[in-house]
Amino acid sequence: AQSVTQPDIHITVSEGASLELRCNYSYGATPYLFWYVQSPGQGLQLLLKYFSGDTLVQGIKGFEAEFKRSQSSFNLRKPSVHWSDAAEYFCAVVLLSGGYQKVTFGTGTKLQVIP
Amino acid sequence: EPEVTQTPSHQVTQMGQEVILRCVPISNHLYFYWYRQILGQKVEFLVSFYNNEISEKSEIFDDQFSVERPDGSNFTLKIRSTKLEDSAMYFCASSHPPTANYGYTFGSGTRLTVV
Repeated sequence: AQSVTQPDIHITVSEGASLELRCNYSYGATPYLFWYVQSPGQGLQLLLKYFSGDTLVQGIKGFEAEFKRSQSSFNLRKPSVHWSDAAEYFCAVVLLSGGYQKVTFGTGTKLQVIP
Repeated sequence: EPEVTQTPSHQVTQMGQEVILRCVPISNHLYFYWYRQILGQKVEFLVSFYNNEISEKSEIFDDQFSVERPDGSNFTLKIRSTKLEDSAMYFCASSHPPTANYGYTFGSGTRLTVV
């Protein structure tokens, strides 16, 4: 069965510092990978997605993620964090085959940004 | 970009009451889903729906829950007799294979509070 692991439950970074949030997936087939951000009390906002092609994907708000098949990873990065980036980030995966496709979410990483 | 629309954004109900959460999926999508996120926890799959029937449901989706596509545009989740533990954010999603071409889209969620 597919699974997604986000090893870091909580990360604190200084404003202006770089950020990397880790995501590992367990899958035998070609995955379709997402990163979502959720501000407190809000819905899921799609940051970026990957299904094929260039393994470095650009998203909104200056985020990017790199798909590494050899490491089964899809880490999210941002070169310089802003205070408004404080939120919870979810990695998710769906199998790219078949009809209906259930999305499996990671447990999330809460990002705190300090001045 | 096409959106999945959910209404209401926030609903408060008394324990034991019935609630209906509404969703308008993307018009050319064929597969419809409900997910749930209890406060502070990860997003969990509830049910998938295709061709007017349930494709898969999780163990969370017990007899208190039902889904329906009453017309060509709406997709609803009904909870017959709400419990305090049903308080959560409920997300609707829709997809159309192949996902890589046509996408998998979540709505912004309905926050259900059972008092």
